[in-house]
Amino acid sequence: GENVEQHPSTLSVQEGDSAVIKCTYSDSASNYFPWYKQELGKRPQLIIDIRSNVGEKKDQRIAVTLNKTAKHFSLHITETQPEDSAVYFCAASSGTSYGKLTFGQGTILTVHP
Amino acid sequence: GAVVSQHPSWVICKSGTSVKIECRSLDFQATTMFWYRQFPKQSLMLMATSNEGSKATYEQGVEKDKFLINHASLTLSTLTVTSAHPEDSSFYICSAYSGNRGIQYFGAGTRLSVL
Repeated sequence: GENVEQHPSTLSVQEGDSAVIKCTYSDSASNYFPWYKQELGKRPQLIIDIRSNVGEKKDQRIAVTLNKTAKHFSLHITETQPEDSAVYFCAASSGTSYGKLTFGQGTILTVHP
Repeated sequence: GAVVSQHPSWVICKSGTSVKIECRSLDFQATTMFWYRQFPKQSLMLMATSNEGSKATYEQGVEKDKFLINHASLTLSTLTVTSAHPEDSSFYICSAYSGNRGIQYFGAGTRLSVL
C-alpha cells in the first residue's frame, strides 16, 4: 500500500519568514495530494491540494509543488503569521473512486511573533 | 466548503459500556465515509472505510467486532465502540468523501474518555 513520509516533524520560524514542508510517497499510482491544517483539538482543514496533471498550484501565501518523477510534493507558506501555527499533514490518494487517503506523520509549525 | 457534522464532540463513559458516534454530511451525499483515530501529537490513523449499503472495510489490526460501523444512508455513518476500555480513549474523527469534488471533508472529532 501507499506510504507517505513527511519532514520535518517540527518547524519553527520567525513571523514573515517562509516555511517549507516536504513529503514523499511510494505509490506511483497516487494522483491526488492534499494538505491539511489542524489546530489543537480541531478538525483537519483542507488548505490546498494538487492533482498529478499539474506541477504547481498557488493560493495567496500558500503553494504546493509536485514532482511525480521523484514522487515528492511540498508545501510552501510565505510571509508566515502567528495564526499559521498549527500541525500540517500531507496526504496522498491513489485516486480510486472513494478517495482513500494515506497521511504523513505531520509537522508542527510554530511561527514566532 | 462542505459541512460534516460529528456528534458527540466529547464523551466520558465507564469501562464496559458502548458508545455511538455519528457522522453526517449536511449538504452533500457521501457514498463513502472514513473513520480515523488520532492519538495526541500523532497523525490520523485510518480505521475503516464505510460504504453506504455495504459492510465496512477495516484496516489491518482494527477489530471489526469492537468498532462497529454502519452506513445506513448517503448522509449518515455511525461508529460504535463496544465494551469500551481505557485503552480505547482517543480522538475519533470521521470524514465524508464528495465524489463530485474529489475531496474529503472532516468532522470536528469526538474525544472519548473511558474510565
